[in-house]
Amino acid sequence: DQQVKQNSPSLSVQEGRISILNCDYTNSMFDYFLWYKKYPAEGPTFLISISSIKDKNEDGRFTVFLNKSAKHLSLHIVPSQPGDSAVYFCAASTQTGANNLFFGTGTRLTVIP
Amino acid sequence: EAGVVQSPRYKIIEKKQPVAFWCNPISGHNTLYWYRQNLGQGPELLIRYENEEAVDDSQLPKDRFSAERLKGVDSTLKIQPAELGDSAVYLCASSVMGTAGETQYFGPGTRLLVL
Repeated sequence: DQQVKQNSPSLSVQEGRISILNCDYTNSMFDYFLWYKKYPAEGPTFLISISSIKDKNEDGRFTVFLNKSAKHLSLHIVPSQPGDSAVYFCAASTQTGANNLFFGTGTRLTVIP
Repeated sequence: EAGVVQSPRYKIIEKKQPVAFWCNPISGHNTLYWYRQNLGQGPELLIRYENEEAVDDSQLPKDRFSAERLKGVDSTLKIQPAELGDSAVYLCASSVMGTAGETQYFGPGTRLLVL
Protein backbone atom coordinates (compact mmCIF):
# COMPACT_ATOMS: atom_id res chain seq x y z
CA ASP A 1 0.00 0.00 0.00
CA GLN A 2 1.49 3.31 -1.12
CA GLN A 3 1.65 5.62 1.88
CA VAL A 4 3.00 8.54 -0.12
CA LYS A 5 1.39 9.39 -3.43
CA GLN A 6 2.30 11.67 -6.26
CA ASN A 7 -0.63 11.49 -8.63
CA SER A 8 0.86 13.56 -11.43
CA PRO A 9 3.53 11.58 -13.27
CA SER A 10 4.57 14.60 -15.31
CA LEU A 11 4.33 18.39 -15.43
CA SER A 12 5.41 20.90 -18.07
CA VAL A 13 5.93 24.58 -17.26
CA GLN A 14 7.24 27.56 -19.17
CA GLU A 15 10.51 29.05 -18.02
CA GLY A 16 9.93 31.87 -15.54
CA ARG A 17 6.53 30.58 -14.43
CA ILE A 18 5.69 28.78 -11.21
CA SER A 19 5.94 24.98 -10.93
CA ILE A 20 3.70 23.32 -8.36
CA LEU A 21 4.30 19.69 -7.50
CA ASN A 22 1.84 17.91 -5.26
CA CYS A 23 2.09 15.04 -2.81
CA ASP A 24 -0.45 13.27 -0.60
CA TYR A 25 0.14 10.88 2.27
CA THR A 26 -2.04 8.51 4.24
CA ASN A 27 -0.08 7.84 7.43
CA SER A 28 -0.96 10.43 10.07
CA MET A 29 2.16 9.45 12.02
CA PHE A 30 4.44 11.04 9.43
CA ASP A 31 5.99 14.17 10.90
CA TYR A 32 8.88 15.01 8.61
CA PHE A 33 8.64 15.54 4.87
CA LEU A 34 11.31 15.94 2.24
CA TRP A 35 11.58 16.68 -1.45
CA TYR A 36 14.31 15.16 -3.57
CA LYS A 37 15.31 15.97 -7.13
CA LYS A 38 16.69 13.29 -9.40
CA TYR A 39 18.54 13.70 -12.68
CA PRO A 40 19.01 10.69 -15.00
CA ALA A 41 21.75 8.29 -13.92
CA GLU A 42 22.17 10.09 -10.59
CA GLY A 43 20.90 9.43 -7.11
CA PRO A 44 18.18 11.59 -5.54
CA THR A 45 19.48 14.94 -4.31
CA PHE A 46 17.98 16.47 -1.18
CA LEU A 47 16.16 19.70 -1.97
CA ILE A 48 14.10 20.92 0.97
CA SER A 49 12.28 19.56 4.00
CA ILE A 50 9.59 20.53 6.45
CA SER A 51 8.66 19.42 9.93
CA SER A 52 5.04 18.84 10.85
CA ILE A 53 5.19 21.71 13.33
CA LYS A 54 5.43 24.10 10.41
CA ASP A 55 3.19 24.78 7.44
CA LYS A 56 5.75 26.47 5.22
CA ASN A 57 9.47 26.34 4.61
CA GLU A 58 11.27 28.44 2.05
CA ASP A 59 14.74 28.15 0.54
CA GLY A 60 15.47 30.48 -2.33
CA ARG A 61 13.24 29.63 -5.28
CA PHE A 62 11.84 26.57 -3.50
CA THR A 63 8.98 26.61 -1.00
CA VAL A 64 7.28 23.62 0.56
CA PHE A 65 3.78 23.92 1.99
CA LEU A 66 2.28 21.40 4.39
CA ASN A 67 -1.44 20.98 5.06
CA LYS A 68 -1.65 18.41 7.85
CA SER A 69 -5.43 18.27 7.98
CA ALA A 70 -5.53 17.37 4.30
CA LYS A 71 -2.39 15.20 4.51
CA HIS A 72 -1.06 17.14 1.56
CA LEU A 73 2.15 18.91 0.74
CA SER A 74 3.33 20.81 -2.27
CA LEU A 75 6.58 22.12 -3.67
CA HIS A 76 6.57 25.48 -5.39
CA ILE A 77 9.42 26.51 -7.65
CA VAL A 78 9.42 30.11 -8.76
CA PRO A 79 10.67 31.20 -11.15
CA SER A 80 11.16 27.86 -12.90
CA GLN A 81 14.39 27.39 -14.83
CA PRO A 82 15.32 24.83 -17.50
CA GLY A 83 17.87 23.34 -15.09
CA ASP A 84 14.99 22.43 -12.79
CA SER A 85 13.88 19.77 -15.28
CA ALA A 86 14.17 16.51 -13.37
CA VAL A 87 12.09 13.94 -11.51
CA TYR A 88 10.93 15.17 -8.12
CA PHE A 89 10.23 12.71 -5.30
CA CYS A 90 8.24 13.45 -2.20
CA ALA A 91 9.24 11.47 0.90
CA ALA A 92 7.93 11.18 4.44
CA SER A 93 9.11 9.72 7.72
CA THR A 94 8.31 9.47 11.40
CA GLN A 95 11.09 11.07 13.38
CA THR A 96 10.08 9.27 16.55
CA GLY A 97 10.90 5.70 15.67
CA ALA A 98 12.50 4.10 12.67
CA ASN A 99 13.05 7.26 10.62
CA ASN A 100 12.65 5.19 7.47
CA LEU A 101 11.73 7.20 4.41
CA PHE A 102 8.67 6.39 2.35
CA PHE A 103 8.78 7.75 -1.18
CA GLY A 104 6.20 8.69 -3.74
CA THR A 105 6.52 7.53 -7.33
CA GLY A 106 7.86 10.84 -8.57
CA THR A 107 6.77 13.66 -10.88
CA ARG A 108 8.80 14.47 -13.98
CA LEU A 109 9.07 18.25 -14.34
CA THR A 110 9.96 19.73 -17.71
CA VAL A 111 10.69 23.44 -17.84
CA ILE A 112 10.35 24.70 -21.38
CA PRO A 113 12.73 27.51 -22.37
CA GLU B 1 32.47 17.56 1.60
CA ALA B 2 32.50 14.29 -0.33
CA GLY B 3 29.13 12.69 -0.93
CA VAL B 4 28.04 9.08 -0.69
CA VAL B 5 30.20 6.94 -2.95
CA GLN B 6 28.94 3.79 -4.61
CA SER B 7 30.53 1.28 -6.94
CA PRO B 8 30.17 -0.08 -9.47
CA ARG B 9 27.88 2.37 -11.26
CA TYR B 10 26.62 -0.26 -13.66
CA LYS B 11 26.57 -4.04 -13.57
CA ILE B 12 25.27 -6.55 -16.08
CA ILE B 13 25.14 -10.20 -15.05
CA GLU B 14 23.37 -13.37 -16.04
CA LYS B 15 20.70 -14.80 -13.78
CA LYS B 16 21.90 -17.12 -11.02
CA GLN B 17 25.20 -15.25 -10.80
CA PRO B 18 26.25 -13.44 -7.62
CA VAL B 19 26.74 -9.67 -7.48
CA ALA B 20 27.95 -7.24 -4.84
CA PHE B 21 27.59 -3.50 -4.41
CA TRP B 22 29.76 -1.26 -2.27
CA CYS B 23 28.96 1.96 -0.46
CA ASN B 24 31.06 4.50 1.39
CA PRO B 25 28.85 6.94 3.34
CA ILE B 26 29.50 10.57 4.12
CA SER B 27 32.12 10.89 6.81
CA GLY B 28 30.59 11.06 10.27
CA HIS B 29 27.20 9.69 9.23
CA ASN B 30 26.42 6.77 11.51
CA THR B 31 23.21 5.72 9.80
CA LEU B 32 23.38 3.97 6.43
CA TYR B 33 20.56 2.76 4.22
CA TRP B 34 20.26 0.53 1.19
CA TYR B 35 17.31 1.13 -1.13
CA ARG B 36 16.09 -0.50 -4.31
CA GLN B 37 14.44 1.62 -6.99
CA ASN B 38 12.47 -0.04 -9.74
CA LEU B 39 11.69 1.76 -12.97
CA GLY B 40 8.97 4.37 -12.51
CA GLN B 41 8.90 3.95 -8.74
CA GLY B 42 10.35 5.67 -5.74
CA PRO B 43 13.15 4.09 -3.72
CA GLU B 44 12.12 1.34 -1.30
CA LEU B 45 14.10 0.53 1.83
CA LEU B 46 15.98 -2.75 1.99
CA ILE B 47 18.03 -2.36 5.16
CA ARG B 48 19.08 0.29 7.64
CA TYR B 49 22.23 0.32 9.76
CA GLU B 50 23.05 2.24 12.91
CA ASN B 51 26.83 2.01 13.00
CA GLU B 52 27.51 -1.69 12.38
CA GLU B 53 24.13 -2.93 13.58
CA ALA B 54 21.31 -3.71 11.15
CA VAL B 55 18.36 -2.17 12.97
CA ASP B 56 15.77 -2.73 10.25
CA ASP B 57 16.13 -5.48 7.67
CA SER B 58 12.47 -6.42 7.51
CA GLN B 59 12.27 -5.62 3.77
CA LEU B 60 15.44 -7.47 2.81
CA PRO B 61 14.75 -10.75 0.94
CA LYS B 62 17.02 -12.79 3.14
CA ASP B 63 16.95 -15.92 1.01
CA ARG B 64 19.18 -14.26 -1.57
CA PHE B 65 20.18 -10.84 -0.24
CA SER B 66 22.75 -10.14 2.44
CA ALA B 67 24.45 -7.02 3.69
CA GLU B 68 27.21 -6.11 6.05
CA ARG B 69 28.72 -2.97 7.49
CA LEU B 70 31.95 -3.95 9.13
CA LYS B 71 33.47 -1.33 11.44
CA GLY B 72 30.39 0.83 10.97
CA VAL B 73 31.64 2.68 7.89
CA ASP B 74 31.60 1.04 4.44
CA SER B 75 28.84 -1.36 3.54
CA THR B 76 28.37 -4.14 1.03
CA LEU B 77 25.09 -5.46 -0.36
CA LYS B 78 25.16 -8.88 -2.00
CA ILE B 79 22.71 -10.84 -4.09
CA GLN B 80 23.26 -14.57 -4.58
CA PRO B 81 21.88 -15.86 -6.84
CA ALA B 82 20.50 -12.98 -8.85
CA GLU B 83 17.11 -13.27 -10.53
CA LEU B 84 15.64 -11.39 -13.48
CA GLY B 85 13.38 -9.40 -11.13
CA ASP B 86 16.39 -8.01 -9.29
CA SER B 87 17.12 -5.63 -12.17
CA ALA B 88 16.86 -2.19 -10.58
CA VAL B 89 18.92 0.71 -9.27
CA TYR B 90 20.40 0.04 -5.84
CA LEU B 91 20.87 3.21 -3.84
CA CYS B 92 22.90 3.78 -0.72
CA ALA B 93 22.18 6.69 1.59
CA SER B 94 23.58 8.05 4.82
CA SER B 95 21.94 10.48 7.15
CA VAL B 96 22.47 13.27 9.60
CA MET B 97 20.08 14.59 12.20
CA GLY B 98 19.19 18.25 11.75
CA THR B 99 17.17 20.59 13.92
CA ALA B 100 13.92 19.60 12.23
CA GLY B 101 14.59 15.96 11.42
CA GLU B 102 16.85 13.39 9.86
CA THR B 103 17.91 14.05 6.28
CA GLN B 104 19.19 11.27 4.07
CA TYR B 105 21.77 11.88 1.37
CA PHE B 106 21.97 9.48 -1.52
CA GLY B 107 24.77 8.12 -3.62
CA PRO B 108 24.55 7.86 -7.42
CA GLY B 109 23.33 4.27 -7.29
CA THR B 110 24.32 1.03 -8.98
CA ARG B 111 22.20 0.14 -11.98
CA LEU B 112 21.88 -3.66 -12.14
CA LEU B 113 20.69 -5.54 -15.19
CA VAL B 114 20.11 -9.26 -14.84
CA LEU B 115 19.88 -11.13 -18.16
